[in-house]
Amino acid sequence: DADVTQTPRNRITKTGKRIMLECSQTKGHDRMYWYRQDPGLGLRLIYYSFDVKDINKGEISDGYSVSRQAQAKFSLSLESAIPNQTALYFCATSDVDITNEQFFGPGTRLTVL
Amino acid sequence: AQTVTQSQPEMSVQEAETVTLSCTYDTSESNYYLFWYKQPPSRQMILVIRQEAYKQQNATENRFSVNFQKAAKSFSLKISDSQLGDTAMYFCAFLSYNQGGKLIFGQGTELSVKP
Repeated sequence: DADVTQTPRNRITKTGKRIMLECSQTKGHDRMYWYRQDPGLGLRLIYYSFDVKDINKGEISDGYSVSRQAQAKFSLSLESAIPNQTALYFCATSDVDITNEQFFGPGTRLTVL
Repeated sequence: AQTVTQSQPEMSVQEAETVTLSCTYDTSESNYYLFWYKQPPSRQMILVIRQEAYKQQNATENRFSVNFQKAAKSFSLKISDSQLGDTAMYFCAFLSYNQGGKLIFGQGTELSVKP
């Protein structure tokens, strides 16, 4: 079973709709992240959380919100989706250790029409 | 603010040959990590190799090795004996000791391995 899961894997929605992307992990990590990937731009950090009560904005948080429901769950919401939020979204987790490796989910392909 | 630059949007290599992907970064910090991630067509992000800035020795993982030049702020990835399964997008990434777990990614290099 995958250690980091994302639902849905693909989603098509319309401008103005509210949408939630969900991330769950079984790795027992405290740190979780949301990134978006756009062609030619790489991955950019949207929000990150170092524990359930600690949530921080990343590089491109405008138009997004997050909720850390539990250590294992971190959701990303688009309150009113717009076409330029069409992208590939990744959730990642990491432990507080010497490796600083981040483990990524399979990604969610979101299309806003 | 830290930045990571990959100046080669696309590269190709023949199977069994060697290819080098370039990455430069900008930072004023002295303690940090550098990573190369691979993203095959399945879109899964896979860690290829990691380098700690305080280590002078270049990291190696089987056919993958890096050339880390700290003074030049350069971190290239060499893939030896290229295989068809190496076809993927490759991302260079930077992580500062002082910035917690926030990875900063380059734009990516799309590598095609040709038979």
